[in-house]
Amino acid sequence: QSALTQPASVSGSPGQSITISCTGTSSDVGSYNLVSWYQHHPGKAPKLIISEASKRPSGVSNRFSGSKSGNTASLTISGLQAEDEADYYCCSYAGYTFVFGGGTKLTVL
Amino acid sequence: QVQLQQSGPGLVKPSQTLSLTCAVSGDSVSSNTASWNWIRQSPSRGLEWLGRTYYRSTWLDAYAVSVQSRIKISPDTSKNQFSLQLSSVTPEDTAVYYCAREESGGFDTWGQGILVTVSS
Repeated sequence: QSALTQPASVSGSPGQSITISCTGTSSDVGSYNLVSWYQHHPGKAPKLIISEASKRPSGVSNRFSGSKSGNTASLTISGLQAEDEADYYCCSYAGYTFVFGGGTKLTVL
Repeated sequence: QVQLQQSGPGLVKPSQTLSLTCAVSGDSVSSNTASWNWIRQSPSRGLEWLGRTYYRSTWLDAYAVSVQSRIKISPDTSKNQFSLQLSSVTPEDTAVYYCAREESGGFDTWGQGILVTVSS
């Protein structure tokens, strides 16, 4: 049950697009489409922004999109805005259990 | 609208048991499609899934390997809530603890979070 691998940090300017990768194994990301992404602002509860690898929950901006190929999932944020600055976590079902990534700090320059 | 309300102490002594409760409104802990989870967040470890309880004709649970020897998550159907017990705590267990509902692999509803500090 090792944590999924994410880059520690990414950055981008307002209006640009960024992509955050999330690499797992054939026991988690590679075996199930149950990959989710969370936006976490300090002091608040995490917010689900992508479920089942690419589905956006109701109310989530269409600037957020997700994909998966093999053992790697990706989150893309287009049209970066200042309010997107936060920590982002991926999570995968791993057969009865779940495993999170280490988190990626997004800085909007 | 589903809501989760957490309660429990914010300070626990080393070697003692951490106990938290999560009250559910707008859904049932006996749901056949949801599971009820505990997740913690610390600066050094980020988000860490701890375990879950769920009902699929019988009650089931699952735990993270890192804590499986000292964790218990239990439902209370009479109060529509679920609880976390983590025994033999150390300062490494200091974190913000969240309860969360999971459906289709996503944690779509979260409690407000409780900072639990392990210190004498």
